Amino acid sequence: AQSVTQLGSHVSVSEGALVLLRCNYSSSVPPYLFWYVQYPNQGLQLLLKYTTGATLVKGINGFEAEFKKSETSFHLTKPSAHMSDAAEYFCAVTHGGSNYKLTFGKGTLLTVNP
Amino acid sequence: DGGITQSPKYLFRKEGQNVTLSCEQNLNHDAMYWYRQDPGQGLRLIYYSQIVNDFQKGDIAEGYSVSREKKESFPLTVTSAQKNPTAFYLCASRRVNEKLFFGSGTQLSVL
Repeated sequence: AQSVTQLGSHVSVSEGALVLLRCNYSSSVPPYLFWYVQYPNQGLQLLLKYTTGATLVKGINGFEAEFKKSETSFHLTKPSAHMSDAAEYFCAVTHGGSNYKLTFGKGTLLTVNP
Repeated sequence: DGGITQSPKYLFRKEGQNVTLSCEQNLNHDAMYWYRQDPGQGLRLIYYSQIVNDFQKGDIAEGYSVSREKKESFPLTVTSAQKNPTAFYLCASRRVNEKLFFGSGTQLSVL
């Protein structure tokens, strides 16, 4: 079984401040982890993903995430928030092999204040 | 251009009626998915299919049915057993361990 928990359905930061969106997962096998972003009135797009190898992964728009197996976490960070980062962010988990099931978290709405 | 096409964009269902949402992809992807999106719930998996003529239930399959007779097509039927069908439905597809491509979605409402 696999599941994703995103802590905080709504996160508010000031422009220029650190962005930290939390994601914890549960998986019985080594996970593959993803962050997706959904901008207002747009579809979902992939920010970054971790499959194997380096545990710190860099994505688009200055975001990065670190896979920490001991903490079963894959938190998303950005050093300095920009107004254009305001969106809803979804963490997702799957794993390699023949099972394609991809499970999403409930999402975190990021608000950036001027 | 390759992509995923969902239709219709808006759909209305009468009480007791079955309705079918279309999802077609020309990306040659093996896996296809149906998600339901409700406010505060995020994306919940309804059904997914890894190969033709095979599919698995997701987390909220009750009241829905699917078929996968062709690689390109993965239609979702919302049956009369689904008592709360109003939602935004997203179809997606991908190759194994690659990023998910999403359709533009179908908003289903009850009359």
